[in-house]
Amino acid sequence: AQKVTQAQTEISVVEKEDVTLDCVYETRDTTYYLFWYKQPPSGELVFLIRRNSFDEQNEISGRYSWNFQKSTSSFNFTITASQVVDSAVYFCALSEHEDSNYQLIWGAGTKLIIKP
Amino acid sequence: NAGVMQNPRHLVRRRGQEARLRCSPMKGHSHVYWYRQLPEEGLKFMVYLQKENIIDESGMPKERFSAEFPKEGPSILRIQQVVRGDSAAYFCASSGIDWDRVRLTSSYEQYFGPGTRLTVT
Repeated sequence: AQKVTQAQTEISVVEKEDVTLDCVYETRDTTYYLFWYKQPPSGELVFLIRRNSFDEQNEISGRYSWNFQKSTSSFNFTITASQVVDSAVYFCALSEHEDSNYQLIWGAGTKLIIKP
Repeated sequence: NAGVMQNPRHLVRRRGQEARLRCSPMKGHSHVYWYRQLPEEGLKFMVYLQKENIIDESGMPKERFSAEFPKEGPSILRIQQVVRGDSAAYFCASSGIDWDRVRLTSSYEQYFGPGTRLTVT
């Protein structure tokens, strides 16, 4: 069965610290897609990244980086030198490459609080 | 290219009233998906529609909820006789033609709207 687990319900760090948000997924498929979204206090969903299962290269975008490890079924997200504006709920999601790949399966989210 | 638009952004209804949530997909997109987010939870898939067709409504509650995506106009998620448990954020997403790269996107490449927050009093 497909499942996305974000074990960290809430993380609180002081500004400028690095922080890693964990995401562990379960899928039967060999082809699948993983996502991270940000939901700031204003409530909208902001797309951050989409990665397919064949691309295990880590990705870096500014202060954001993602570590995809198929061996541990994890797709962790790290924010370097965190800022107050990074405070949000972050969701990890999964989509499988089958007839129902439009059904994104979402984790419960990790609330990140960056203190000034 | 305007993004996915949802209105209203906030909707307050009394128990027993009807709620209508609208979603205008991104230009060129003919696939619409509705998700519900209960407080402090992730999103849950509700329904997938293409123009004038419901493709998959496996996530929709069997009663009181319906969705449509007419040939013209926005997609509508309709909740009849709302109850307090319907209070949630409802997100719409769309997929279809990516005008920047002039290609047909896959259905997993969904672009989300800002959501409608429904409060039932």
